[in-house]
Amino acid sequence: EAGVAQSPRYKIIEKRQSVAFWCNPISGHATLYWYQQILGQGPKLLIQFQNNGVVDDSQLPKDRFSAERLKGVDSTLKIQPAKLEDSAVYLCASSLVTPNEQFFGPGTRLTVL
Amino acid sequence: LAKTTQPISMDSYEGQEVNITCSHNNIATNDYITWYQQFPSQGPRFIIQGYKTKVTNEVASLFIPADRKSSTLSLPRVSLSDTAVYYCLVTYQTGANNLFFGTGTRLTVIP
Repeated sequence: EAGVAQSPRYKIIEKRQSVAFWCNPISGHATLYWYQQILGQGPKLLIQFQNNGVVDDSQLPKDRFSAERLKGVDSTLKIQPAKLEDSAVYLCASSLVTPNEQFFGPGTRLTVL
Repeated sequence: LAKTTQPISMDSYEGQEVNITCSHNNIATNDYITWYQQFPSQGPRFIIQGYKTKVTNEVASLFIPADRKSSTLSLPRVSLSDTAVYYCLVTYQTGANNLFFGTGTRLTVIP
């Protein structure tokens, strides 16, 4: 069974630039999550989708972050404009339903200079 | 805002049992506790999940006491390959803002 795919694996940008991350969840998984993991900390949930609807985006900085999950499959997370404090690993995960086991992708390491 | 705390680090010798505790508050009877393992440059990997008393699988046990103010992950006989960071995740079944990872515990297994 293929796992959660994410791209790119690494991204370096300058502050005020924009960036987008892509996630392809495990086939059939209705729930998709985006997390931000700052070095040395636990993952922080940014947004949770159930199919193509948003379940929880209470910790998403909506002035600069946006996410969508068209057709209830793939998802993209965008940051515009980026700030230095956005430097982190962005993890995507999927599960059949909540609160079942989440399967995580390898993450995208973002460095903002 | 819910807060989930863990010890920052633990050391253990190979073959020993390791218990890692996660402290949390306001856990309802149907809120879930899940534990994940994370190696460097990888996403977290599921270990075990439960919402009451004791759950056991082939690699670990999870204990949730009656007061539900903490939970404990027990790794029966650790090996060098268990060196990793361990996170508890609290999933609240009601309300928004309902998924919280703990601060993480770095386990180092010593030969």
